[in-house]
Amino acid sequence: QSALTQPASVSGSPGQTITISCTGTSRDVGGYNYVSWYQQHPGKAPKLMIYDVSNRPSGVSNRFSGSKSGDTASLTISGLQAEDEADYYCSSYTSSSTVLFGGGTKLTVL
Amino acid sequence: EVQLVQSATEVKKPGESLRISCKGSQNSFTGYWFAWVRQMPGKGLEWMGVIYPGDSDTRYSPSFQGQVTISADKSISTAYLQWGSLKASDTAMYYCARQRTYGSGSPTNYYFYGMDVWGQGTTVTVSS
Repeated sequence: QSALTQPASVSGSPGQTITISCTGTSRDVGGYNYVSWYQQHPGKAPKLMIYDVSNRPSGVSNRFSGSKSGDTASLTISGLQAEDEADYYCSSYTSSSTVLFGGGTKLTVL
Repeated sequence: EVQLVQSATEVKKPGESLRISCKGSQNSFTGYWFAWVRQMPGKGLEWMGVIYPGDSDTRYSPSFQGQVTISADKSISTAYLQWGSLKASDTAMYYCARQRTYGSGSPTNYYFYGMDVWGQGTTVTVSS
């Protein structure tokens, strides 16, 4: 199983909107609506930000949103804030009844 | 508050065995699946496998099948990750997490859709 494909890095200025993509195959992202997104600050455990493609857990800011088209899922962060600077990982359920992560994207707030 | 508390940092030699643990509060353990996730130094997250402590149903990522053993003791709300013979390449941070799951069909097919509670991580260093 190869990791889902994410850009290594993205950047944006405070207040801007950025999007992180996550590309898989029909055996994972394209085949199921079980895509999740995680935020990880340095030295910290990951935090669930989005599940089931576009659902936010309680307590997660509505500046975070998710979507999917075909084999590619996306995480959008609007009104970028300094605290959003972190690594972001997508994951998807797979046809092998396992979970696959993306390689991760480093978000820099300029 | 739902919590997963992991065991302390480990420093081991190649060839040694190791078991690390992840203890949940009662209300965070019963009826849930628990996953283990590896993060090698400076690298991304890797899903290793998952267990349902209620009946010890366990699934492994192909990358980790045969390399580690996942187990649990539901009587003490604890999940485990075990190695029989450590290698230097096992050096990493290991997280446990509560794996949210949908079940449907007969026999039940389980769909793993998100990890919503995470332990603090256990650092494992393997060096001669």
